[in-house]
Amino acid sequence: DTAVSQTPKYLVTQMGNDKSIKCEQNLGHDTMYWYKQDSKKFLKIMFSYNNKELIINETVPNRFSPKSPDKAHLNLHINSLELGDSAVYFCASSEAPPGWKSHSGANVLTFGAGSRLTVL
Amino acid sequence: DAKTTQPPSMDCAEGRAANLPCNHSTISGNEYVYWYRQIHSQGPQYIIHGLKNNETNEMASLIITEDRKSSTLILPHATLRDTAVYYCIVRVASTNFGNEKLTFGTGTRL
Repeated sequence: DTAVSQTPKYLVTQMGNDKSIKCEQNLGHDTMYWYKQDSKKFLKIMFSYNNKELIINETVPNRFSPKSPDKAHLNLHINSLELGDSAVYFCASSEAPPGWKSHSGANVLTFGAGSRLTVL
Repeated sequence: DAKTTQPPSMDCAEGRAANLPCNHSTISGNEYVYWYRQIHSQGPQYIIHGLKNNETNEMASLIITEDRKSSTLILPHATLRDTAVYYCIVRVASTNFGNEKLTFGTGTRL
């Protein structure tokens, strides 16, 4: 199935640990994103990569380090986890960078199912 | 910051049309209106988008006012499976430079 898939779906860990969430898309998109949805359900962009190059980096603690080995993968590594990092993290992809016109014209975001991180 | 305002929640009887309003009074000439929805515990899903003409697809219809300051998403025959948070977003989709940050507001819970 063509999709944005992220693993793991659930992650429970202790404060201070380091963890990673992986994301892969087989849609042939050039741009990938990480969004964070907190307990109040606000969905905020964290990072965006276009063809492995970082193009958006919101005010995110440097404990968060995205890595894009190729344009189909965007992983998120989090060091020294804190209680406030508990959230659902969504990976997404689009044909072109945000604001650009895509071949299909819509340049919509396709989201993964989310990874719920709980820090104890 | 979100450029749109939506009611926090709405109710709709099953089988009836659901009309979800969105105000975007500061929309620019090159900004499109996009609608996404998020069903509980899932990632947001694209529904429809438009610039100034009304649009319809298999999921919904989008009515944009002539002055483009507001729009309405119409789900013609709402079912229980349409229970979700609906997000109205304005964004540029016609340039080949810059990196606009797509911002989701608080949406409308239907």
